[in-house]
Amino acid sequence: DTGVSQNPRHKITKRGQNVTFRCDPISEHNRLYWYRQTLGQGPEFLTYFQNEAQLEKSRLLSDRFSAERPKGSFSTLEIQRTEQGDSAMYLCASSWAQGVTTDTQYFGPGTRLTVL
Amino acid sequence: DQQVKQNSPSLSVQEGRISILNCDYTNSMFDYFLWYKKYPAEGPTFLISISSIKDKNEDGRFTVFLNKSAKHLSLHIVPSQPGDSAVYFCAAKKTNAGGTSYGKLTFGQGTILTVHP
Repeated sequence: DTGVSQNPRHKITKRGQNVTFRCDPISEHNRLYWYRQTLGQGPEFLTYFQNEAQLEKSRLLSDRFSAERPKGSFSTLEIQRTEQGDSAMYLCASSWAQGVTTDTQYFGPGTRLTVL
Repeated sequence: DQQVKQNSPSLSVQEGRISILNCDYTNSMFDYFLWYKKYPAEGPTFLISISSIKDKNEDGRFTVFLNKSAKHLSLHIVPSQPGDSAVYFCAAKKTNAGGTSYGKLTFGQGTILTVHP
């Protein structure tokens, strides 16, 4: 079990450019989550998938943001036309959830995005 | 609307003593609570959790207490060690007895714990 991995770890881009991040969850986990964390705050929920299905999206996820998990394994988060306010740490987490059991989310190291 | 609050931005304790980190929540629908620890440049690491049907859960040096009437939980670390120095986040979620559990975690702002040798 290698844990949740995220790539790249750091991304610097210019305002207006598109960026894409990748998350590889723990292999047997069926749920995958995306959060965003800014300085001095806790992680804020963006969206999550159960297998391929995107089950919930936050209001924070504007139309410039899109997430996919095409085969129920890895996921990508794309930000189009980046803005300076998008600068943050983007965290991915995964869990195993079945029925009403409470699932524990395990986080990756994050991708730090800096928009110049 | 900060539904989960950690009102102490920082806490400093001596090695070997008890560390008590506090968390308050406002949403009465929350029924599952977790604590995470975060080191710089790493993602949050799960520490311990508690369901609302319990008022205490222990795991080694870590104990979480839940006071539902006060909508308050606390994490006790005994004895504290310098390696415990990190940012601690509490998180909450609501589960759904209708067939599946909700996914979203709502986090507090975090408390920076420093344990001095």
